Amino acid sequence: KAGVTQTPRYLIKTRGQQVTLSCSPISGHRSVSWYQQTPGQGLQFLFEYFSETQRNKGNFPGRFSGRQFSNSRSEMNVSTLELGDSALYLCASSLVEGTDTQYFGPGTRLTVL
Amino acid sequence: GENVEQHPSTLSVQEGDSAVIKCTYSDSASNYFPWYKQELGKRPQLIIDIRSNVGEKKDQRIAVTLNKTAKHFSLHITETQPEDSAVYFCAASNPYAGGTSYGKLTFGQGTILTVHP
Repeated sequence: KAGVTQTPRYLIKTRGQQVTLSCSPISGHRSVSWYQQTPGQGLQFLFEYFSETQRNKGNFPGRFSGRQFSNSRSEMNVSTLELGDSALYLCASSLVEGTDTQYFGPGTRLTVL
Repeated sequence: GENVEQHPSTLSVQEGDSAVIKCTYSDSASNYFPWYKQELGKRPQLIIDIRSNVGEKKDQRIAVTLNKTAKHFSLHITETQPEDSAVYFCAASNPYAGGTSYGKLTFGQGTILTVHP
C-alpha cells in the first residue's frame, strides 16, 4: 500500500497570506490527524478528523482550520499567516479512531517571510 | 490535559552499547504509548508501541516497558548501531478524556540519539 502523502512538500508565503495543505491517507484509513512540528515546541496536535467530522482540536487559534472529504483526504488551512506559523506540518492516518496506530506523512515545510 | 516529559534530551553512546530513553505522563487514563524515530528531514516512523494492558514489549533490539503505577514508560535499544542515530519521540494517548480526545497523541520533546562508530 502507498503511504501517507502530503502536498505540497514545501511552501513559502508572506505574512498575511493564507495557505492550504493537503493530506491523502493510506488507502482504507479513515482517521486523519494533523500536527505542527517546530524546534521550540516540538510536535503539537492540531486536529483530528474521522468520517468527515472534526473529533478533536488542539490549542491553536481559529486561524487554523481543516476539513475531511468523503474519500478521507484532508486539508488544513491557515489564514492570516504569521512568522511563527513557520513549521513542518505533518499529517498522520490511522485505520479507525481512538488508540490506533498512526502513520505519518512526509510533511509540508511552510516558511512564512 | 495530558503532559509528557522525556529524558534525556540528548544521548551519546558507543556502537554496541545500550541506550535508554524515559518518558513520564500525567494522565492516568492514557492507555496507548507509541515511540517514533525521526531521521533528519524525514517523517516520524513508528518503531514500537505498547498498550496499557501490557507491561513490556520487544521487537528484536528494541523494547518498551510500561509502569502504569508510576506513569512512566521507557525505550530500550540494545547493541546500538550508527543507523540508530536519530531523534526519538515518545507519545501518549487517552481516547476517552472528556469523551472527545480520540486519537490525539501528546508527544515528549524528543531525544537526540547519537551512536558513535
